[in-house]
Amino acid sequence: AQKITQTQPGMFVQEKEAVTLDCTYDTSDPSYGLFWYKQPSSGEMIFLIYQGSYDQQNATEGRYSLNFQKARKSANLVISASQLGDSAMYFCAMRDVTTDSWGKLQFGAGTQVVVTP
Amino acid sequence: NAGVTQTPKFQVLKTGQSMTLQCAQDMNHNSMYWYRQDPGMGLRLIYYSASEGTTDKGEVPNGYNVSRLNKREFSLRLESAAPSQTSVYFCASSEQLTGVHYGYTFGSGTRLTVV
Repeated sequence: AQKITQTQPGMFVQEKEAVTLDCTYDTSDPSYGLFWYKQPSSGEMIFLIYQGSYDQQNATEGRYSLNFQKARKSANLVISASQLGDSAMYFCAMRDVTTDSWGKLQFGAGTQVVVTP
Repeated sequence: NAGVTQTPKFQVLKTGQSMTLQCAQDMNHNSMYWYRQDPGMGLRLIYYSASEGTTDKGEVPNGYNVSRLNKREFSLRLESAAPSQTSVYFCASSEQLTGVHYGYTFGSGTRLTVV
């Protein structure tokens, strides 16, 4: 069974600083995908970044990068140069590819980030 | 704009009442999903539909039923609402784009309170 663990329920970060959100996962499937989503106070789910288990390079999307350490089963999100608009709940999610053809996502509990001036 | 549309956005029910949450997508995706979000628990899968005409249980299906009416629409029904079903409900759809990456699109959510 899959499991996604986000150990940081909440964190404060100062504007313009970088922040790392932790995510560890557990799967026996050799082929899987990892996702990060942002949920602002308005409630919508916003896709941020994706990493495939066979991708050689760590994924990057603008100020977002994914620190993928496969051996440690870790997929931490790094947000550089934090902005006030980054205040939100952040979810790590995973789907198996080999054992699940239908694309079901499993989510972590989330990390609430508050960016302060 | 293309996307996933959920209705209603807010709903208050009394214990024992029934209701149907509607979801429609216009991206021609095959797969659709219903998740519920509770504090401290992330999103949990209730039911999913891999393609038109098929549905299957997710992690927390008890108390819910679903219908995949056609390729566009996937509804979630609460037959006899209970306070434990107070939650935010998200509908999502997906299609495989390239390789293993599924492009997921979420609706804006339905905030349901059962009193």
